[in-house]
Amino acid sequence: AQTVTQSQPEMSVQEAETVTLSCTYDTSENNYYLFWYKQPPSRQMILVIRQEAYKQQNATENRFSVNFQKAAKSFSLKISDSQLGDTAMYFCAFMKHNQGGKLIFGQGTELSVKP
Amino acid sequence: EPEVTQTPSHQVTQMGQEVILRCVPISNHLYFYWYRQILGQKVEFLVSFYNNEISEKSEIFDDQFSVERPDGSNFTLKIRSTKLEDSAMYFCASRPTTVGDTQYFGPGTRLTVL
Repeated sequence: AQTVTQSQPEMSVQEAETVTLSCTYDTSENNYYLFWYKQPPSRQMILVIRQEAYKQQNATENRFSVNFQKAAKSFSLKISDSQLGDTAMYFCAFMKHNQGGKLIFGQGTELSVKP
Repeated sequence: EPEVTQTPSHQVTQMGQEVILRCVPISNHLYFYWYRQILGQKVEFLVSFYNNEISEKSEIFDDQFSVERPDGSNFTLKIRSTKLEDSAMYFCASRPTTVGDTQYFGPGTRLTVL
C-alpha cells in the first residue's frame, strides 16, 4: 500500500522569504501523480501544483515549485516570496496511475507566514 | 470557473439519525469521490464512483455508508445511523475522465454528531 509522509507538522516563514515543505512517499508503482493541496482556515481544499512521475522536469506554478526526486521518493514544495495569504495547512498527496484515481494524503504541514 | 458545490455547509444531528450530504460535481466530470477529515487529522478517502457504481471504497466505508447519483447532477453520501466518531468534515471531489486528471474539491460539509 502507498503511504505519504510529511515530517514537518508546523513551519513558519517571514513574509517575502522562501520556505520548503517536505514530503516523502512509498510506492512500488512506476507511474503515478503527486499533488500539493492547500487548506486555508476556511478548510476548502485548493490544488497548488501537480507533478506527473514520468516527467523529469519539476512542475512550477508562479511562486510555487516542486523538487521531485523519483529515486528518493521525495516531493518537496518550495514557496518563493511568501505572502500572508499562503498561511494554510499544506497536504501532499499521491495518486496511482489507474482509472479509480483515489488520493492518498499525508498528515499535513501547517505553514504560518509572519509579517 | 466551474466549481464543486456542497450542501449543507454545516449539519448537526443526533447520534443514530440518518444524514444525507449533497454534492454537485462539475458538469462534464465523470469521476466522483467522497473524503473525510476528522478535525486535526489528514484527509481520508472514503469512496470513488464512476458510471453509476462504486469503483473503490475504503475500509471506513462500511454498511452504514452509501452513495448515489440520483438525477445526473447530484452526488450524495448517506450515513444511515450516525455515530459520534462520524463527526468530521466531508469533502466531495470530481475529475474528468483522463487518468491522472486533477480532482477538484468542494468546500466541504461539517458534520457534527451529538
